[in-house]
Amino acid sequence: DIQMTQSPSSLSASVGDRVTITCRASQDISHYLAWVQQKPGKAPKSLIYGASSLQSGVPSNFSGSGSGTDFTLTISSLQPEDIATYYCQQYFSYPRTFGQGTKVEIK
Amino acid sequence: EGQLLESGGILVQPGGSLRLSCAASGFPFRAYTMTWVRQAPGMGLEWVSTITGTGDTTYYADSVKGRFTISRDNSENTLYLQMNTLRADDTAVYYCAKERQWLRDWGQGTPVTVSS
Repeated sequence: DIQMTQSPSSLSASVGDRVTITCRASQDISHYLAWVQQKPGKAPKSLIYGASSLQSGVPSNFSGSGSGTDFTLTISSLQPEDIATYYCQQYFSYPRTFGQGTKVEIK
Repeated sequence: EGQLLESGGILVQPGGSLRLSCAASGFPFRAYTMTWVRQAPGMGLEWVSTITGTGDTTYYADSVKGRFTISRDNSENTLYLQMNTLRADDTAVYYCAKERQWLRDWGQGTPVTVSS
């Protein structure tokens, strides 16, 4: 199975800050990486697929990069509505696997 | 984009069975691979099972293999998860999701509690 490791597990940042979350796969997954946002008490929502393609309707302050084993989710200017837990997920092979999540809070 | 609406989650005793449903609308259901993902209380997301559009191919997490069965009725636009021999660690919110390789759209989830 492919292990997905996110860092950090949690972070606290100020409104307007640039926030970066990293995700590392235990083997090469090319660009088959998605990012999912889950706001408190809500269902998950797709943010990014193909490592860097923005899902329709997602604000442009979100971006993704990387390929192979190392990936990054960036929020260019943190907003209060971005408070959520973010998960990476590989869809290179089965079983699909998620990272453990990164909880983003406002300082 | 359509809508996904899960149902069937309840309190069930260990060793019991349960069938979850996910009603799909607003998109060509049979054209899409569908997936179940679960989230135990306070924990992260766990992929459970996937079924292709025709229903010919299925995949399962090791944690549910042999106990859970994913299926679909394309004439009714409904996805199912039959859960047998339930254990306490199956307690979770179960989400269905529409795939375009990645999990593009998610339902709101249905809670399953396994407890005596």
